[in-house]
Amino acid sequence: DIVMTQSPDSLAVSLGERATIDCKSSQSVLYSSNNKNYLAWYQQKPGQPPKLLIYWASTRESGVPDRFSGSGSGTDFTLTISSLQAEDVAVYYCQQYYSIPFTFGPGTKVDIK
Amino acid sequence: EVQLVESGGGLVQPGGSLRLSCAASGFTFSNFAMHWVRQAPGKGLEWVSVISGSGDNTYYGDSVKGRFTISRDNSKNTLYLQMNSLRAEDTAVYYCAKGTGGSCFSGHDYWGQGTLVTVSS
Repeated sequence: DIVMTQSPDSLAVSLGERATIDCKSSQSVLYSSNNKNYLAWYQQKPGQPPKLLIYWASTRESGVPDRFSGSGSGTDFTLTISSLQAEDVAVYYCQQYYSIPFTFGPGTKVDIK
Repeated sequence: EVQLVESGGGLVQPGGSLRLSCAASGFTFSNFAMHWVRQAPGKGLEWVSVISGSGDNTYYGDSVKGRFTISRDNSKNTLYLQMNSLRAEDTAVYYCAKGTGGSCFSGHDYWGQGTLVTVSS
């Protein structure tokens, strides 16, 4: 199974400042035949289901604010919130959908400093 | 508007069975893979299973393989999860989620609100 790790476990950022979350996979999730990284990012607020933010590692889902961006390839990925807003307080998960079983990272909790 | 509504959760004894349903609307159900993802109380997300749009292909997580069965009825726009030999560690909120495409190998762009399954004596 592909193991997903995330760092940090939690972070507190001032409003308007940048938040960066790293995600690593134990093996590459880059499919060479289509040059796509099978990596997604989700946001989950308390009491709510997860919400898809980013897929194919860097494609923003429709309706997601452009302050959210994804980058990386192979085994190393990053989710960046360029200017943290109060509504961004949540837990963020990365997920690989390259191989079965699909696996999620443990999550990173983002708070306001 | 895409809607996914889960039902069928509840309290069940260890070793028991339960069938979850997920009623879908707002999209062409048969064109998309569908997933089940669970979340134990206070824990992270765990992917459970996926079924292709046609229902021909199914895949499972290691912890449920051989005990859970995913299925779908495209005429009823409904996804199912038959859960047998339930264990305490299966206690979780179970979400159904729509795949972003027809392939099973996809992210999940819409999620239901979830249904709670509690396995306890």
